[in-house]
Amino acid sequence: EDKVVQSPLSLVVHEGDTVTLNCSYEVTNFRSLLWYKQEKKAPTFLFMLTSSGIEKKSGRLSSILDKKELFSILNITATQTGDSAIYLCAAPRDYNTDKLIFGTGTRLQVFP
Amino acid sequence: GAVVSQHPSRVICKSGTSVKIECRSLDFQATTMFWYRQFPKKSLMLMATSNEGSKATYEQGVEKDKFLINHASLTLSTLTVTSAHPEDSSFYICSAGAGGETQYFGPGTRLLVL
Repeated sequence: EDKVVQSPLSLVVHEGDTVTLNCSYEVTNFRSLLWYKQEKKAPTFLFMLTSSGIEKKSGRLSSILDKKELFSILNITATQTGDSAIYLCAAPRDYNTDKLIFGTGTRLQVFP
Repeated sequence: GAVVSQHPSRVICKSGTSVKIECRSLDFQATTMFWYRQFPKKSLMLMATSNEGSKATYEQGVEKDKFLINHASLTLSTLTVTSAHPEDSSFYICSAGAGGETQYFGPGTRLLVL
């Protein structure tokens, strides 16, 4: 059965720390991996990764995919309290569908 | 761009009543919309895929007569929870695709059934 697994489940850091969130996947017909940030409401899109080794960057957030080892990481540098959220990764189930399989998420709490 | 709205954001209803939730793509046309349910501290669970002009496809274990989905136009899909019960209380989120696998999520609807 296809699945997406995230670790750690929960992370508590102080402002200014750097964090790394992990996402491993087992998807038979892998196409891409997506990262979302969920605060109190619905998830907001962060990144979509399709190629190994190419880092995507947006401000203090960056992400990279390793298709050989079947995982992705999301890095956040110089964390701020506004980074506190649940970070979700997801992958489409198959080539011919946009249905996503979501991981359980990593809950990040950043304290001042 | 790629804004999805949901209405209402929060609803409280009595057991046995039906509740309709609307999902709209505001600045793009979405041939496919997805409905998710999320329990506290859990991830998103896909309930059904809503296709404009055709019947929705439901995930295993989701009752189609309980959760009625209508995709009336390229910008609107509705989810009706029929004869709601307390166990239907949850956070319901829709998403819309603008082409490809990237989905944009609505702000969610929190349903509480008393």
